[in-house]
Order: sequence, then C-alpha cells, then structure tokens
Amino acid sequence: SQQGEEDPQALSIQEGENATMNCSYKTSINNLQWYRQNSGRGLVHLILIRSNEREKHSGRLRVTLDTSKKSSSLLITASRAADTASYFCATDVKNTGNQFYFGTGTSLTVIP
Amino acid sequence: GAGVSQSPRYKVAKRGQDVALRCDPISGHVSLFWYQQALGQGPEFLTYFQNEAQLDKSGLPSDRFFAERPEGSVSTLKIQRTQQEDSAVYLCASSLLDRTGEAFFGQGTRLTVV
Repeated sequence: SQQGEEDPQALSIQEGENATMNCSYKTSINNLQWYRQNSGRGLVHLILIRSNEREKHSGRLRVTLDTSKKSSSLLITASRAADTASYFCATDVKNTGNQFYFGTGTSLTVIP
Repeated sequence: GAGVSQSPRYKVAKRGQDVALRCDPISGHVSLFWYQQALGQGPEFLTYFQNEAQLDKSGLPSDRFFAERPEGSVSTLKIQRTQQEDSAVYLCASSLLDRTGEAFFGQGTRLTVV
C-alpha cells in the first residue's frame, strides 16, 4: 500500500507557467521528501521538509507542508521544458520502521 | 563520483535464472535502501540496511529475494529463480545517517524477465 498520493496524476502546462502538485498522506510523519524522475531514469532528490517546518524554498521550487491537513504541495515557478518529468512525494512515517512511502506520482509535461 | 551507482543498468533474464544487482552507495553513508518500481507506479520498499546490518526486510516479496551488505558499503540484491512478475526497475538509495535525512537514489537497474 502507498502512503502518499499525488494529485493531479497528470499535468500539462506551457513553458513559463507555474506548476503545482499536491501530496496527501494518511498518518503522522517525521519528514516528507519530493523527488523528480525522468522517463527511465532514477529519482533525483529535490527537497526535504521536516514535520516542524511549514515552507521551504530551493531555486524555482517551493514546498509547503500542512500537518493538520496531512498534505504537502510542490510549486515549480517559471517552468521549463526540462522540468518535464514525474514528481513523487515520499513520506517518512512515524513508528513504522525504516522505509519511505511513495505515492504514484504526478506526470508533468511542460510544452515549449 | 559522488552519487549512488547501480549496475547493471539493464538486465534481461530468462525465467528461472538467478540475477544479482549491485549498488554502490555514496561513500560514508550509513543507511542503504532497496526499492522496486513497477511501470507507472511509485517505488515500493524492499529492504533497509544500517551499515552491514539488515534491519528491515519486510518488503521482500518472497524468499527468492535476498539482499546483503557484508562490509557496510556495497550491497547486492539477489533474485533467485526469476519470474515474469519480477520485471521492474530496482532502485537503491543511501542516506548519511538514518531515514530521517535526505536519501539519494541511483539510476536503477531495469530487470526484464522473459
């Protein structure tokens, strides 16, 4: 079973627009990480946000975390064609052993 | 050479064949994870090592799957008597300490069982 669920499943935008994708999870977490995966490639780590943090920035990326709603969002500003990829959230769930739980991902297409 | 390295990148195995997948984590990283990713899905946890100790193997789907990390660095995931449902991308990740820190993934090994 997968703890995190990304929304939407697929997103298509024009280059230069902002892209927002969401992640919802079910139980309390220690932290949440966002990853990018290009087709047929490995996962690239983007950002880690801890449960006591509400917002983090890294370049064109902005991540928010709302533990009361058990949700996180990833905003990519001024998107580029190279941002086309699948984006996954991974949750480190409290008291559940040693794994990260991934959702099924959001497939982002940025049209040049 | 700072990243997690996996080999081979691609492996085609005949059903019933044994395979071994290798992971070289980032030097000095204590934690190592193996994940399995089916097409169109998110990665699913297989097993976790802290140094040479396999602390969690709850995700291994059957006793045909075996992982080791004998010296606390390189890890090998072995699949015996492969079956078609084993076809997937196998991802390895490492993190400096435990799972509460950033985990860095390799490019994965795409296994196809024919």
